[in-house]
Amino acid sequence: QQQVKQSPQSLIVQKGGISIINCAYENTAFDYFPWYQQFPGKGPALLIAIRPDVSEKKEGRFTISFNKSAKQFSLHIMDSQPGDSATYFCAASRTEYGNKLVFGAGTILRVKS
Amino acid sequence: EPEVTQTPSHQVTQMGQEVILHCVPISNHLYFYWYRQILGQKVEFLVSFYNNEISEKSEIFDDQFSVERPDGSNFTLKIRSTKLEDSAMYFCASSQFMNTEAFFGQGTRLTVV
Repeated sequence: QQQVKQSPQSLIVQKGGISIINCAYENTAFDYFPWYQQFPGKGPALLIAIRPDVSEKKEGRFTISFNKSAKQFSLHIMDSQPGDSATYFCAASRTEYGNKLVFGAGTILRVKS
Repeated sequence: EPEVTQTPSHQVTQMGQEVILHCVPISNHLYFYWYRQILGQKVEFLVSFYNNEISEKSEIFDDQFSVERPDGSNFTLKIRSTKLEDSAMYFCASSQFMNTEAFFGQGTRLTVV
C-alpha cells in the first residue's frame, strides 16, 4: 500500500515533442505528490508538486495532471528539449509525515535533437 | 544558491567495517533526512531528524544505523558492521520546515567489498 508505481522505465522523445510519465499510488492518505528531476552525478531536485485539491498544475513547460479517483498522476513535459534528458521520479507523502517521501522507480528520459 | 553538501562522494569499505557519511544541510533548515538508492532500484526513505531526535524511520533503518548532528552544521549517518547489501547511493536532504521542499545533496556512493 505504500508503493508508488511509475511508468515507463525509459522514454525517448524527439525534440519539441511531449514527454509523458505516469504514476499510480494505493495509499489514499497520500496528499502531496512531487516530481523530482535528477541529472547524472546530482541529487534529485524538486521540479513541480501538486496536492489533491487541484486536478492540474502547470509551471512553464511542465504540467502535473492528477486524477484522485483513479489514484494516478502524470508529468507532461511540453516542447521537450535535449536539456530535459534526465531521470524523473514521482513521489508521494502524507503531510503529517513531512518529507518522508515514497518514490517511484524512476523514468530515464532521453530527448533526441 | 544554498545547497546540501555530502562527503565523501565515494566511499569503499570492507565488509564488517563501520562507515560515517557526512552531510552539511542548508544552514537555516531544521529538518534533515537520509535516503538511499540501491543501484537500479528506487530511492528509499531511511530516517528523518528534527530537534536533535529521530522523528520518523523506515524498517530499513535498524540498529545497524544511527544518525547524529554532532555540531550546528553537520548531519551524519553511521553504518555499523557494513554488509554487502549496504552498497548504495546515500542521499542527505534537508528542509526548512516539515512540509516545505526537501533539497537533496549529490549523494555518497558507498561500496562494501
